Amino acid sequence: DAMVIQNPRYQVTQFGKPVTLSCSQTLNHNVMYWYQQKSSQAPKLLFHYYDKDFNNEADTPDNFQSRRPNTSFCFLDIRSPGLGDAAMYLCATSRDGIGRAAAFGSGTRLTVV
Amino acid sequence: RKEVEQDPGPFNVPEGATVAFNCTYSNSASQSFFWYRQDCRKEPKLLMSVYSSGNEDGRFTAQLNRASQYISLLIRDSKLSDSATYLCVVTYDTGGFKTIFGAGTRLFVKA
Repeated sequence: DAMVIQNPRYQVTQFGKPVTLSCSQTLNHNVMYWYQQKSSQAPKLLFHYYDKDFNNEADTPDNFQSRRPNTSFCFLDIRSPGLGDAAMYLCATSRDGIGRAAAFGSGTRLTVV
Repeated sequence: RKEVEQDPGPFNVPEGATVAFNCTYSNSASQSFFWYRQDCRKEPKLLMSVYSSGNEDGRFTAQLNRASQYISLLIRDSKLSDSATYLCVVTYDTGGFKTIFGAGTRLFVKA
């Protein structure tokens, strides 16, 4: 059974139209991450939550926001998607502590038209 | 300098070959190290953790050298099913655990 669940699997949005991607977890992990992965590139960390503490990467555009209303859920909001934001968005979770590997959801593939 | 750097690929090897990947990391405070495998258009999946003493899981052996800040992955007796991208992953604590990926090394195993 999937323990990190991302919805939807595929999302098509219009240029400039706000879109929200969701992630939920049943692992009770305290750290949740959002990554952006473009074709043939490594996943790039956008931001992560350590419990309720939000940690933004310095080079993450302001266009990307996140919310974590509770331990289980985390959302990625793209306020005004551009063509360059088309990518796979991966949610991952991990438990605090040394040696704790991250578990990934299946990802949401975003297309901007 | 990138935080995590990997051997450029792709690696093209015949079945049964032994292949090794290296990865270097720049943050000496890095605490945890992993190898992930990613198949085309799928999410990364944990292959194995990497421990200071080195560790083995079947045909896969991982090594960590903290002094030189690199980790390695050795695959023996390569199978066609080993064809994938292998991602080196490093975690460190910045007041919240952060997981950074290398760019990945593509492996093609051919019959």
